[in-house]
Amino acid sequence: AQSVAQPEDQVNVAEGNPLTVKCTYSVSGNPYLFWYVQYPNRGLQFLLKYITGDNLVKGSYGFEAEFNKSQTSFHLKKPSALVSDSALYFCAVRDRVNFGNEKLTFGTGTRLTIIP
Amino acid sequence: DSGVTQTPKHLITATGQRVTLRCSPRSGDLSVYWYQQSLDQGLQFLIHYYNGEERAKGNILERFSAQQFPDLHSELNLSSLELGDSALYFCASSTHLGTEAFFGQGTRLTVV
Repeated sequence: AQSVAQPEDQVNVAEGNPLTVKCTYSVSGNPYLFWYVQYPNRGLQFLLKYITGDNLVKGSYGFEAEFNKSQTSFHLKKPSALVSDSALYFCAVRDRVNFGNEKLTFGTGTRLTIIP
Repeated sequence: DSGVTQTPKHLITATGQRVTLRCSPRSGDLSVYWYQQSLDQGLQFLIHYYNGEERAKGNILERFSAQQFPDLHSELNLSSLELGDSALYFCASSTHLGTEAFFGQGTRLTVV
């Protein structure tokens, strides 16, 4: 079984400061890892993914995430936060193998608030 | 815009009723997934269809069913509705060899 943990329900960051949203995962094999963002009354928007290769992946809106296999983590980061980054962020994992098992398992979400 | 279209956006219905939620995937995407988002359960995977066939089931109640049609659109049918079924229902699609899924805006179902 695969699972994702987002240990922080809420993260507050001052505008202009770096931000980190934490995610750890559990999967039987090698994972595909994703970050999605949800704005109020909107669907989930894909931000970035880790498939293979470089452990640091870059995504939309200046976000990046670092894959750490030994710590089974995939933390989302941004060097300088914007007020418009305030939203609900979800980490998700998918098993790399088993065609027919492509479902995403999501964490519980972290509400990011950027304080002006 | 993700390219995934869900209708209706909002639905209010009474307990015991039946509703149908519709999803049109991105052009060319063969996989359709349904998810339920509620305050107490978070984002829960319901079911996955690939090119018209059911591929995987998650925490989907027996009162719920889905299908994917030859034109690849999908419908999620919810019957004998209960207050606890009130939630945001998302559809997502992905390509045959794709990794990430692209989500629609969701249907907000309110059961009264």
